[in-house]
Amino acid sequence: DQQVKQNSPSLSVQEGRISILNCDYTNSMFDYFLWYKKYPAEGPTFLISISSIKDKNEDGRFTVFLNKSAKHLSLHIVPSQPGDSAVYFCAASEYGNKLVFGAGTILRVKS
Amino acid sequence: NAGVMQNPRHLVRRRGQEARLRCSPMKGHSHVYWYRQLPEEGLKFMVYLQKENIIDESGMPKERFSAEFPKEGPSILRIQQVVRGDSAAYFCASSPRGPNLAKNIQYFGAGTRLSVL
Repeated sequence: DQQVKQNSPSLSVQEGRISILNCDYTNSMFDYFLWYKKYPAEGPTFLISISSIKDKNEDGRFTVFLNKSAKHLSLHIVPSQPGDSAVYFCAASEYGNKLVFGAGTILRVKS
Repeated sequence: NAGVMQNPRHLVRRRGQEARLRCSPMKGHSHVYWYRQLPEEGLKFMVYLQKENIIDESGMPKERFSAEFPKEGPSILRIQQVVRGDSAAYFCASSPRGPNLAKNIQYFGAGTRLSVL
């Protein structure tokens, strides 16, 4: 039972353009959502988060949008840079408890 | 990832041996989480500990796996009598505060890659 789904295994984007990574969830009790970036042979690095009481959170080039009615969130990266190439994981939690991760999306930013 | 230290980074064991994975949380963090990542999959929660207490072990196999976070020293994930299916990357995360509090961000270590021959 996959409670958090990232349906795109990979995404390829030109440098300078926008990257949009999507995530869907099924558990309506999730109230906190996070995005992590992961390079090979390293641990996940926290990028940005959003609480269920908000619909948008922005931090520099990264913006996360939350659509609670659709149980959908997305991460926008503008402008995309080659150093952004990594695996991006969406994660969700209930009351800040254990994280439930999606399977990840591989982002490739071409220069 | 600076601050959450995991060792060893790589661990090779033969079937039937024991594996011990260690995790030192970030300074000031008293909440530790262990996750496992199988190839081509996302991270899966195993266990959540505070100092000297297991809070949630709902993701941990009932047999052969155990975890502890003593008053002094690192958290330890122990796998007894390893099998090939235990081969995976094991990640530890720490947070400065527990659940039910806003912005409970978990910070991850670099992981231990366990290979069972």
